[in-house]
Amino acid sequence: NAGVTQTPKFQVLKTGQSMTLQCAQDMNHEYMSWYRQDPGMGLRLIHYSVGAGITDQGEVPNGYNVSRSTTEDFPLRLLSAAPSQTSVYFCATRSVSTGANVLTFGAGSRLTVL
Amino acid sequence: AQKVTQAQTEISVVEKEDVTLDCVYETRDTTYYLFWYKQPPSGELVFLIRRNSFDEQNEISGRYSWNFQKSTSSFNFTITASQVVDSAVYFCAQSTSGTYKYIFGTGTRLKVLA
Repeated sequence: NAGVTQTPKFQVLKTGQSMTLQCAQDMNHEYMSWYRQDPGMGLRLIHYSVGAGITDQGEVPNGYNVSRSTTEDFPLRLLSAAPSQTSVYFCATRSVSTGANVLTFGAGSRLTVL
Repeated sequence: AQKVTQAQTEISVVEKEDVTLDCVYETRDTTYYLFWYKQPPSGELVFLIRRNSFDEQNEISGRYSWNFQKSTSSFNFTITASQVVDSAVYFCAQSTSGTYKYIFGTGTRLKVLA
């Protein structure tokens, strides 16, 4: 049982490049989300989704795009990376139908933008 | 607006000492949930406990205990007889019932010295 799988674990980009962080889950969780973790800032919500075709913005959505075409996957896209997007990114999921609101996190993806 | 404050940025203790990590939250909602997560040096986020706003009973799990006081809007975490393996960053978080947003504190780094 893999849980929440994030790829890649590490990535270095140059300013202006684009990339996609992948998040896949096998727990049949309706809710999926992306957080970024920065020193002294805790975890901040970027985007979230409560089901296929449904996405919404979190606290820091600028510079990021998401889509949800399947229950299992929730990719995070950086269309034109900036040094301010250097961070550790976490995907988190939870069940909605069962009411259990504990987030399960992926292992994280460390992104450096030069 | 919701807010979670972890005023202790870093705490260092010697092994076997007791240590309390503070968490103060702000919310106008009556039904909400509070969480603690542990982030060991390996980087993953591990769920420790969830409390709902109607349950003020203290919780004990082995060496870990949690004190939830609505009167002071606090949800403090105590580790008794700390061990080196407790060294980690600990995050407190809050979520309002019926929403999909989680507010995290900035975390407390605990160093347990042998």
